[in-house]
Amino acid sequence: GQNIDQPTEMTATEGAIVQINCTYQTSGFNGLFWYQQHAGEAPTFLSYNVLDGLEEKGRFSSFLSRSKGYSYLLLKELQMKDSASYLCAVRGNFGNEKLTFGTGTRLTIIP
Amino acid sequence: DTEVTQTPKHLVMGMTNKKSLKCEQHMGHRAMYWYKQKAKKPPELMFVYSYEKLSINESVPSRFSPECPNSSLLNLHLHALQPEDSALYLCASSQDRRNTGELFFGEGSRLTVL
Repeated sequence: GQNIDQPTEMTATEGAIVQINCTYQTSGFNGLFWYQQHAGEAPTFLSYNVLDGLEEKGRFSSFLSRSKGYSYLLLKELQMKDSASYLCAVRGNFGNEKLTFGTGTRLTIIP
Repeated sequence: DTEVTQTPKHLVMGMTNKKSLKCEQHMGHRAMYWYKQKAKKPPELMFVYSYEKLSINESVPSRFSPECPNSSLLNLHLHALQPEDSALYLCASSQDRRNTGELFFGEGSRLTVL
């Protein structure tokens, strides 16, 4: 089975940096994905890691350590529009590639 | 603008009704998905179609019946639903089943069962 944990809520200040952590224990692993979901809207894909290390994509970066079952999403130069839920998701091994989402972290940006 | 289109956006139905949710994508993707999302919860996978064949059914009750008429369309037929089935139903697509992590979601159909 899959067990994916994230903090439920976080608050950060506009212009600052925030790190959202995700830990996972899964029976198979073939990639970790981050999605953003604004209230009342569909999730949108942000980034993914399949190998250890940091992937940078503009203001967003994602890190993965497979040995530790750990990932984080780093958001820089926070903007008010970054207020959203951030979902960590793990993909299973080949043959069972379904994507399982964590509970999500609701991030609130304050002025 | 989303490239996955879902209709209707909102649906209210009684427990004896039969209705359908529809999903369409024109990105040439060969894998399509139905997810269910309750308020303040993550999306939960229901079904996966790969090359128009059902490849994953996550033990979904038979009152939900998926259909994939062609590579661009995905339907979810609803019959004899329960109030606890009220949720946001999200359709998604990916290039193929091996790229299942990079999903493109539609805006969802918000279902209320009375």
